[in-house]
Order: sequence, then C-alpha cells, then structure tokens
Amino acid sequence: GAVVSQHPSRVICKSGTSVKIECRSLDFQATTMFWYRQFPKKSLMLMATSNEGSKATYEQGVEKDKFLINHASLTLSTLTVTSAHPEDSSFYICSASHRAGAYNEQFFGPGTRLTVL
Amino acid sequence: AQSVSQHNHHVILSEAASLELGCNYSYGGTVNLFWYVQYPGQHLQLLLKYFSGDPLVKGIKGFEAEFIKSKFSFNLRKPSVQWSDTAEYFCAVNAKDSSYKLIFGSGTRLLVRP
Repeated sequence: GAVVSQHPSRVICKSGTSVKIECRSLDFQATTMFWYRQFPKKSLMLMATSNEGSKATYEQGVEKDKFLINHASLTLSTLTVTSAHPEDSSFYICSASHRAGAYNEQFFGPGTRLTVL
Repeated sequence: AQSVSQHNHHVILSEAASLELGCNYSYGGTVNLFWYVQYPGQHLQLLLKYFSGDPLVKGIKGFEAEFIKSKFSFNLRKPSVQWSDTAEYFCAVNAKDSSYKLIFGSGTRLLVRP
C-alpha cells in the first residue's frame, strides 16, 4: 500500500512553454501533498505544501506564479511549470501524506526529470 | 532555521562490512528524525524514524540508528551490508516549530561491492 505515482517520468520542452506534472496517490487519500526539487548532488528542497481544496503554501524563494500547484482531489496534485527556462531543469519529486503533523509519514513518488532546452 | 548535514557523500564497502553513515542536524528544539533510502531507479522509502523514547531505533532490512541528543546526531548503522544495500541514503528532520516540514540532508551514495 501507500503508492504514489508521478507522470511523466521525463519531459523535455522548449524554453517558454509550460509543463504539467501529475502526482497521484494510488491507494490512499492524501490530505497533504508536497512538491520537492532536487538539484544534482544536492538534497531535496521543499517547494510547496498543498492541502486538498485549498491554496498551496510556498516556501520562501519559490515563485508561486511560476510553479502553479493544484490539489483538486484527495488523490491528485499537479505542478505546472509555466514559461519554463533552462534554469528550471531539475528533478521534481512529490510526496503524499494522509495526515498532517509530526506523524505524517510521507510517501514519495518516483520523480519527474524536466529538461528545458 | 533547521539544517541537516551528511558527512559522507560517497561510501564504498565490500559485502559483510559494517556501515555507519553520519547525520548531524542543527536545531535547538524538539525534532523528529528520519532516514530514507532511494534504491537505483526507485522512489524514496522510509528506513526508520525517531520521535521519542528509546534513542536506538531499529528499522527495516537490518538498519538501525541512534539519536544522541548531546551531539545533535542520528547516525545510521548496519553491522553487515549486502550488495542489495547499494542506494542513496538521506537523513531528514522535522519539527513542530516549522510545521513539521521535512528538511533533508544532501544524501550519501553507498556502493556495496560483491
């Protein structure tokens, strides 16, 4: 149980286009989903936290207009990278949790590698 | 602000060798501590976690970690590694004061030679 999927696993796009990444919890209802970005040889950096039906909470330094997050249902959250540029190229990972707080074990998706040309 | 440091970026061991991966955090308050593993081509999985109680925590696949509060450390250990332990290991911390957001270390790549 507790499986999280991401789609697509890899995407290559041209500079200036927008890319949508989906994160789904397959066998549980995720009240909270998290989006991370991982730079080469660096740790995962939390970008934003989203709760179903409400606006996402973005970390300091993350542009909310550039990285649009929607958590429309208890099993789906999407991250849209708008007007992507080469510096947005990265590995994006989502995680999902079925409760908030200290005991919120997060279940991670396999990640999406975005390359912007 | 919290931060997590993992001292070893790359570790190479032979099978049956003992493993210890270092993890130190900087935060003065009460924290929860985690070790995650990412096998090649797979997603992050929880190895073990510490919230309170016995500072020696046992996880899956023979791993354990010891929370030493005075040293702000949570080192991961395994007495005898196997080739299948080849993976990247991440230490992470969360705290009530920061809404329990997970802060990750930079990771340690472990290669176990058969």
